[in-house]
Amino acid sequence: AQKITQTQPGMFVQEKEAVTLDCTYDTSDQSYGLFWYKQPSSGEMIFLIYQGSYDEQNATEGRYSLNFQKARKSANLVISASQLGDSAMYFCAMRGYGNKLVFGAGTILRVKS
Amino acid sequence: DVKVTQSSRYLVKRTGEKVFLECVQDMDHENMFWYRQDPGLGLRLIYFSYDVKMKEKGDIPEGYSVSREKKERFSLILESASTNQTSMYLCASLIPGVTDTQYFGPGTRLTVL
Repeated sequence: AQKITQTQPGMFVQEKEAVTLDCTYDTSDQSYGLFWYKQPSSGEMIFLIYQGSYDEQNATEGRYSLNFQKARKSANLVISASQLGDSAMYFCAMRGYGNKLVFGAGTILRVKS
Repeated sequence: DVKVTQSSRYLVKRTGEKVFLECVQDMDHENMFWYRQDPGLGLRLIYFSYDVKMKEKGDIPEGYSVSREKKERFSLILESASTNQTSMYLCASLIPGVTDTQYFGPGTRLTVL
């Protein structure tokens, strides 16, 4: 069975600083995909970034980058130059059988001015 | 632009009522999903559908059923609502491709009294 663990229930970061949100995963599959989603207080889930298990380079999307360490089974999200609008819940997820997503419990990020 | 809509943002129902949650996508996607979100548990898959009239149980299908009569519409049905079904319900549609990313609707916050 696949499992995602996010050990940080909540994080604070100063505006304009970088922050790392942790995600570890467990799977016996050789081919898998890892996703990060952002959920603002309004409730919608916003796709941020994707990393495939065979991708040799870490994924980047603007201020978001994914620190993928396959041997350690970790897929941490790095947000550079934090903004007040980054305050939200962040979920790490893994794609499994039938394209189902398995989610972690989430991390609440608060950006301080 | 990806567009997934859900029939209601907020819904209040009474115990024992039959509840219909509707999800519509206008992109001719085959794969659609229903998740529920609870604090500390992340998102958990209730049901998914990979084509019209085709459905599969997710991780927590008890107390729910689904209907997919047309490709664009995937309905979640609570046959007899109970208070433990008070939750946030999120529908997703999958864009096929290299990443097979799921895009979510705005969510329905259901309260069962």
